[in-house]
Amino acid sequence: EAGVAQSPRYKIIEKRQSVAFWCNPISGHATLYWYQQILGQGPKLLIQFQNNGVVDDSQLPKDRFSAERLKGVDSTLKIQPAKLEDSAVYLCASSLDPGASYGYTFGSGTRLTVV
Amino acid sequence: AQSVTQLDSQVPVFEEAPVELRCNYSSSVSVYLFWYVQYPNQGLQLLLKYLSGSTLVKGINGFEAEFNKSQTSFHLRKPSVHISDTAEYFCAVSGGGYQKVTFGIGTKLQVIP
Repeated sequence: EAGVAQSPRYKIIEKRQSVAFWCNPISGHATLYWYQQILGQGPKLLIQFQNNGVVDDSQLPKDRFSAERLKGVDSTLKIQPAKLEDSAVYLCASSLDPGASYGYTFGSGTRLTVV
Repeated sequence: AQSVTQLDSQVPVFEEAPVELRCNYSSSVSVYLFWYVQYPNQGLQLLLKYLSGSTLVKGINGFEAEFNKSQTSFHLRKPSVHISDTAEYFCAVSGGGYQKVTFGIGTKLQVIP
């Protein structure tokens, strides 16, 4: 079974620039999540999709972050404009069910550095 | 609201010694509990989970955890650690349904040769 694919693995941008991350979940996983993991902290949920609908985006900074999941498969997370405090690892995960009773499967993440 | 507290930020332990990583949770509803491991520059990998039933849960790589409802704890244990167990370990809680999974801040396990 192929895992959760994320790209790029690393990205360095200047503040105020824009950046986009891509995620392809495990086939058949209806629920997709984007997490932000700042160095020294646990992952924090940014947004949760169920198929192509948003279930929870309460912690997404909507003035600068946006995400979409077209056709209920791939997803893109965008930051525009980026701030220094956005430096973090962005993790995509998917699960069979919204309650994640089977656990999440995580991708390897995208490490963003904003300078 | 649900939350997780991992009581130790770092745990050094000698190789082949036992280890316990502590996790306490709070939740107003029934809980699903998880432990994940993160190796350097990798995503998180599920070690084990508690959904219901037996309070002693066995996972991969020889790890196990015990759900204690009265103490609201879900501590992770391994009787004999190996160098390859050096990683960061995250405890997580979910209320099931559409409730999000909330992660702790992680515990770095450093296995000393």
